[in-house]
Amino acid sequence: DQQVKQNSPSLSVQEGRISILNCDYTNSMFDYFLWYKKYPAEGPTFLISISSIKDKNEDGRFTVFLNKSAKHLSLHIVPSQPGDSAVYFCAASLNYGGSQGNLIFGKGTKLSVKP
Amino acid sequence: DGGITQSPKYLFRKEGQNVTLSCEQNLNHDAMYWYRQDPGQGLRLIYYSQIVNDFQKGDIAEGYSVSREKKESFPLTVTSAQKNPTAFYLCASSQVGPEKLFFGSGTQLSVL
Repeated sequence: DQQVKQNSPSLSVQEGRISILNCDYTNSMFDYFLWYKKYPAEGPTFLISISSIKDKNEDGRFTVFLNKSAKHLSLHIVPSQPGDSAVYFCAASLNYGGSQGNLIFGKGTKLSVKP
Repeated sequence: DGGITQSPKYLFRKEGQNVTLSCEQNLNHDAMYWYRQDPGQGLRLIYYSQIVNDFQKGDIAEGYSVSREKKESFPLTVTSAQKNPTAFYLCASSQVGPEKLFFGSGTQLSVL
């Protein structure tokens, strides 16, 4: 049973427009959420995170929104650039302040930003 | 530059053979992890270690073994008991705490 779901396997966006990547989770005990970006044949790189005590975190072009009542988070990229084309993984943690060995990852969404 | 080094980048395994994937980090992180990624799937945790000489099983530990004799090193052995070893293997490290994971560039393992 998937605890972290990214229901859109792929997303295509025009350069300069907004990209919105969605993530749903089932376990209300998750207390920390992260987004990672991954290029082919490379390891994921950390993008942005949010604690469950917040509903928004912003870092440059990237903003993550958390809706705890809906068990939903989203990553907004504005404006989208061709270099943003990658697979984006949503991850959730059950143990904020502890080991991240218990990070639960979604299956990823492949974002394509077209010039 | 600090980082995580995985080797080799590509590895082939014959039937009945054990193979070992290397992971070294110079970030002075306490915790290290091994994940497996299959096409179209998320990352699944194989093993993790929060301290030298100690490690715990993740969600899919069967058919794998690890050691943590040094803080910098966390090698993963894929044993012959792992019947479906073809996958992309990722090593990661972090400080114990709410810190982000740092990943290596991965090893693609294939079966001959």
